[in-house]
Amino acid sequence: EIVLTQSPATLSLSPGEGATLSCRASQSVSNYLAWYQQKPGQAPRLLIYDASNRATGIPARFSGSGSGTDFTLTISSLEPEDFAVYYCQQRGNWPPLTFGGGTKVEIK
Amino acid sequence: EVQLVESGGALVQPGGSLRLSCAASGFTFSSYSMNWVRQAPGKGLVWVSYITSSGGTIYYADSVKGRFTISRDNTKNSLYLQMNSLRAEDTAVYYCARAVSRCSFDYWGQGTLVTVSS
Repeated sequence: EIVLTQSPATLSLSPGEGATLSCRASQSVSNYLAWYQQKPGQAPRLLIYDASNRATGIPARFSGSGSGTDFTLTISSLEPEDFAVYYCQQRGNWPPLTFGGGTKVEIK
Repeated sequence: EVQLVESGGALVQPGGSLRLSCAASGFTFSSYSMNWVRQAPGKGLVWVSYITSSGGTIYYADSVKGRFTISRDNTKNSLYLQMNSLRAEDTAVYYCARAVSRCSFDYWGQGTLVTVSS
């Protein structure tokens, strides 16, 4: 099973600041990696698929990069609605599909 | 508009059974693979099961293999999860999710809560 490790666990930032979230895989997943945003009481929302492609309707301030084992989600300038938990998910070698443990982006 | 609506969640005793449903609308259901993903209270996301568009290929997480059965009825635009021998650790919100592009999940339902407790 491929383990995804997200860091940091919590990121405390102010609106307008940039955010860099990391996801590391225990073995290569090629570019089969997605990122999701989840707010309290809501279902997750797909942000990025295939490591670097923004999903439909996702603002350009969200970008994804990486391949193999190291991936990054970057939010260029945090908006108030961006404070949430972010998960990465892989389909490189499956089953099983696996998710990372999440990074919480909170208001400083 | 794509919609996925789960139902069937409930309080059930350990060892009991439950059947979850996911009603799909707004897209050609029979063309998409589907998944169940769960989230225990205050915890992260965990993939549970996958089924291809035709139902010909099915996968399960090891934690539910042999106890849960995924199925679909393309004539009714519905996805199901039959859950048997339920355990306390199965307590979670269960989401159905549509799979696209190498199994990213582009649409999710609102979730249905399953609580396993005596």
